[in-house]
Amino acid sequence: NAGVTQTPKFRILKIGQSMTLQCTQDMNHNYMYWYRQDPGMGLKLIYYSVGAGITDKGEVPNGYNVSRSTTEDFPLRLELAAPSQTSVYFCASSYRSPGAEQYFGPGTRLTVT
Amino acid sequence: AQSVSQHNHHVILSEAASLELGCNYSYGGTVNLFWYVQYPGQHLQLLLKYFSGDPLVKGIKGFEAEFIKSKFSFNLRKPSVQWSDTAEYFCAVVYYGGSQGNLIFGKGTKLSVKP
Repeated sequence: NAGVTQTPKFRILKIGQSMTLQCTQDMNHNYMYWYRQDPGMGLKLIYYSVGAGITDKGEVPNGYNVSRSTTEDFPLRLELAAPSQTSVYFCASSYRSPGAEQYFGPGTRLTVT
Repeated sequence: AQSVSQHNHHVILSEAASLELGCNYSYGGTVNLFWYVQYPGQHLQLLLKYFSGDPLVKGIKGFEAEFIKSKFSFNLRKPSVQWSDTAEYFCAVVYYGGSQGNLIFGKGTKLSVKP
């Protein structure tokens, strides 16, 4: 199994551009999550999903959107990129609730200039 | 607000030294506790977890953690570190209140082990 995969690995955006970060898991997990990691700040939850068609905001959702049309995929959309969105983005999944072990993808390093 | 505190931002040790990384959480109710590790250039992976039962939890690579409910703590320990333990370590908590919360991470502790 590949586990959780993310694309792209790196991306540089100009202010105001948009992009979609892709996340796919092949473990048939119901729960999926998007986090951002900033130096010295740990990971902050952006959005999460408890199953196909169901998404909800996390701690830092502003400037982002998500969708969950299938169990496997959970893309994160950045509209009108801003320098404050420069970060490393991790996608994760878990079989059950957030209280279960989460499996993380390799991350996407995004720079907005 | 519910939170997780990790006491040390950066710890530097020599090989064979003992390690203890502190973690405290802010809620006195039911919690699930985790330690995740991020090796340089890699993604996060689970080191160990506590859900219930024996408060001394053993994880991978010789790590262990002790849940002390009275101190709201879940400190990570290893008796003898190796150079390959160089990584960033994150404590994380799920709080169970009226409804189950999401995973909350501490800010992380960077461990550097000198050969």
